[in-house]
Amino acid sequence: DADVTQTPRNRITKTGKRIMLECSQTKGHDRMYWYRQDPGLGLRLIYYSFDVKDINKGEISDGYSVSRQAQAKFSLSLESAIPNQTALYFCATSDRLAGGDETQYFGPGTRLLVL
Amino acid sequence: KNQVEQSPQSLIILEGKNCTLQCNYTVSPFSNLRWYKQDTGRGPVSLTIMTFSENTKSNGRYTATLDADTKQSSLHITASQLSDSASYICVVRSSGYALNFGKGTSLLVTP
Repeated sequence: DADVTQTPRNRITKTGKRIMLECSQTKGHDRMYWYRQDPGLGLRLIYYSFDVKDINKGEISDGYSVSRQAQAKFSLSLESAIPNQTALYFCATSDRLAGGDETQYFGPGTRLLVL
Repeated sequence: KNQVEQSPQSLIILEGKNCTLQCNYTVSPFSNLRWYKQDTGRGPVSLTIMTFSENTKSNGRYTATLDADTKQSSLHITASQLSDSASYICVVRSSGYALNFGKGTSLLVTP
C-alpha cells in the first residue's frame, strides 16, 4: 500500500555487514511493526512499537534492532547479517482501537539476500 | 502452544469455479480471526475480521465463516477470477497484542 513504504525493496548483502531497512507511513498511525516471512512459514514478529518512546521485542528479535525515529518512521537493523536472515521483511502499521479489532496495514516488503 | 493450521497448502482451480480454504486454530483465549490476501510481491491486505459472536461475514465474493466451538474458520471464494490468485493467510488474535499467523494457502486460478 502506498501509505506504507519500505526502502530498499531488494537488497543483497554479505555475511557480517550491517544493514538497515526503513519504513515510513503516512497513515498517522501510532503503532508500527516489523515482520519477516520465510517460504513455508507464517509471518513472524520481530519488533513492534506502540509510540515513539515504546519498543518491544517480538518472537524472533535476536540479531535485530530497531529505531523509532518519529511517529512515521520505524527502521530495522541487522547489526551483523547472517545467511539465515535471508527473508522477505514487512513493515506494518495500525491505529489504536479498543477491543483489539485494529487492522494492520502492510508495506510492500523488502526482499533481503545475505550471501 | 497457540497454533494456526491452514489447508490445503496450495490449490489450483479453474476461473469461475468456487473454492473453500480452511483454518483450524488452537489459540486461547480467542479475541478475533482475520483473513488476509497476499498478492505475489505485495504485503497482506485484510479481507475480513470475525469476533467470537460472528458466524459469517462477507466481503464481495469472499465469505468467511467461524465456528468458535470447534475452533474452525473457512474462507469461501465464489466465481473465482484470475485476480484471486494469491496467498490467503488466517490470523488469530489472542489476548493483549498477540497475533498468531497461519502459513497460508496458495491459490492459483487458471483460465
